Amino acid sequence: AQSVTQLDSQVPVFEEAPVELRCNYSSSVSVYLFWYVQYPNQGLQLLLKYLSGSTLVKGINGFEAEFNKSQTSFHLRKPSVHISDTAEYFCAVSENTDKLIFGTGTRLQVFP
Amino acid sequence: DARVTQTPRDKVTEMGQEVTMRCQPILGHNTVFWYRQTMMQGLELLAYFRNRAPLDDSGMPKDRFSAEMPDATLATLKIQPSEPRDSAVYFCASGLDTSGDTQYFGPGTRLTVL
Repeated sequence: AQSVTQLDSQVPVFEEAPVELRCNYSSSVSVYLFWYVQYPNQGLQLLLKYLSGSTLVKGINGFEAEFNKSQTSFHLRKPSVHISDTAEYFCAVSENTDKLIFGTGTRLQVFP
Repeated sequence: DARVTQTPRDKVTEMGQEVTMRCQPILGHNTVFWYRQTMMQGLELLAYFRNRAPLDDSGMPKDRFSAEMPDATLATLKIQPSEPRDSAVYFCASGLDTSGDTQYFGPGTRLTVL
């Protein structure tokens, strides 16, 4: 069965510092991987997704993620964060369906 | 700018009352998902429709929750009777029935049951 683990429930970071949000998944078959962002009092919106091809995926707002099949990971990175990046970030996986399994989320808090 | 809409945005009700939440998916999308978000459980999938037919509602408490799509432009989630433990934010999302497709989320309905 699919599952997604986001080990860090909270990540505090100063503005302009780099950040990495970790995501590991378990699945016995090929998967599609997603990162969604949720700003306060809003719904989730897609940051980026990996379907196939290049393992380095670039998304909106300067974020990127790298698919690592051997490590079953899909970590999200940004080289320099901004105050406006403060939000909840969700990793998700699907196994050849349109259903998503979400992780528990990581709260990114950017301090000035 | 096409987007998923949900009404009401906020709902406060008393235990035992019926609650109906509505969702208008993006025009042309044929899959609709209902999620519940709480601090304790995170984001849970309650129900999933494709072409208005329910495909999976295994995440939904059957005795009090029901989900329907009366037509392609309206999805409803009903709780009867409501209980304090139903307090949560309920999200609707829509998409196309293609593996790997993006789900587009509405702004959510914040439900408080007193």
